[in-house]
Amino acid sequence: DVKVTQSSRYLVKRTGEKVFLECVQDMDHENMFWYRQDPGLGLRLIYFSYDVKMKEKGDIPEGYSVSREKKERFSLILESASTNQTSMYLCASSLKPDGYGYTFGSGTRLTVV
Amino acid sequence: QKEVEQNSGPLSVPEGAIASLNCTYSDRGSQSFFWYRQYSGKSPELIMSIYSNGDKEDGRFTAQLNKASQYVSLLIRDSQPSDSATYLCAVISSGSARQLTFGSGTQLTVLP
Repeated sequence: DVKVTQSSRYLVKRTGEKVFLECVQDMDHENMFWYRQDPGLGLRLIYFSYDVKMKEKGDIPEGYSVSREKKERFSLILESASTNQTSMYLCASSLKPDGYGYTFGSGTRLTVV
Repeated sequence: QKEVEQNSGPLSVPEGAIASLNCTYSDRGSQSFFWYRQYSGKSPELIMSIYSNGDKEDGRFTAQLNKASQYVSLLIRDSQPSDSATYLCAVISSGSARQLTFGSGTQLTVLP
């Protein structure tokens, strides 16, 4: 089974801190994604990547950046955390070709105080 | 207009009944459709995928797709309390290859 591992289950950070959320997948998937999930708003795509060194903005990229130096690792960076970034963050990966569903990590619950 | 719409619920059904979950999407060119189940405090897990018009059955789950009506549904037969979860509809739209767009989910409760 594909495993997608997110490094932290719960995080509490202070406003203005730089925050790194790490995601690693073990099945050589090309595609990786970062979503945030908020009550009533569902899952919203922040950034995605189809290959190493490649990144594309999703629907809500403001305040975030990403890094993909290795195929298996996709990091989400909050440059200067704000309270409105308090959320559940979900990483996912998927196989080629297009049209396959995603496998999600267990999520990181981030609280910014 | 949201691209993928679901009734948020909550939807309650008695144990043993059929639960019917519905989803509409706005992009007529969409090709791939998925249902995810998400238990409280857990991440979504893929339970069904469907790509062609008609029905697709897997155990107690049946996905139905009608591209003309831009409608996809999930039926759960013989519902069990363990089916209580939020069900997310997700679509890969034309022009956004490999990106899933999710509905906001329908919360299902199966009453013993």
